[in-house]
Amino acid sequence: RKEVEQDPGPFNVPEGATVAFNCTYSNSASQSFFWYRQDCRKEPKLLMSVYSSGNEDGRFTAQLNRASQYISLLIRDSKLSDSATYLCAVNMNKFEGSEKLTFGTGTRLTIIP
Amino acid sequence: DTGVSQDPRHKITKRGQNVTFRCDPISEHNRLYWYRQTLGQGPEFLTYFQNEAQLEKSRLLSDRFSAERPKGSFSTLEIQRTEQGDSAMYLCASSPRRNTIYFGEGSWLTVV
Repeated sequence: RKEVEQDPGPFNVPEGATVAFNCTYSNSASQSFFWYRQDCRKEPKLLMSVYSSGNEDGRFTAQLNRASQYISLLIRDSKLSDSATYLCAVNMNKFEGSEKLTFGTGTRLTIIP
Repeated sequence: DTGVSQDPRHKITKRGQNVTFRCDPISEHNRLYWYRQTLGQGPEFLTYFQNEAQLEKSRLLSDRFSAERPKGSFSTLEIQRTEQGDSAMYLCASSPRRNTIYFGEGSWLTVV
């Protein structure tokens, strides 16, 4: 089993729709969780951190489910500009010392006009 | 532009040659990271510096790979005796605090 798993997609979604992705992680001691957005042949860009209480930034909502060991990203009222690959990233180390983030392979999203 | 800067952006090299990539982090960031990303995969952690100290290294960083950050500012990643499997995008990132990392545009390496 991979340490961090995502459905690679592609997800083809009509403009204006709501879409959600999940990302599962294997290590229950994982402490920090993030969503990144990556456009084709560009660098990943931090979209949002994921907190235990969940967090929202405009049309984007991230949730953490520790019991089932997954994080989710919900995009409401999707725009053409949301087309990208969405990567989840997890710091799996229980202790403060490790700075390693483990990334999933990404979920590719295409918004259709 | 005050983001993370990487150079060169693209490099084509013959198998067996050495290559070096440079990264200039965001100036106030003391944390610096190198990741590698191949097509269809997420970034894979290679190494982490806090100031000039290399605090963490992945097992992916074989003997042919070496990274330095001599004065706690810019960093270099050198790959010796390149192999075709080294073809990837090499991403540098910096951070002002734990885990919140900001990537540079990457250095694309093609080994022919």
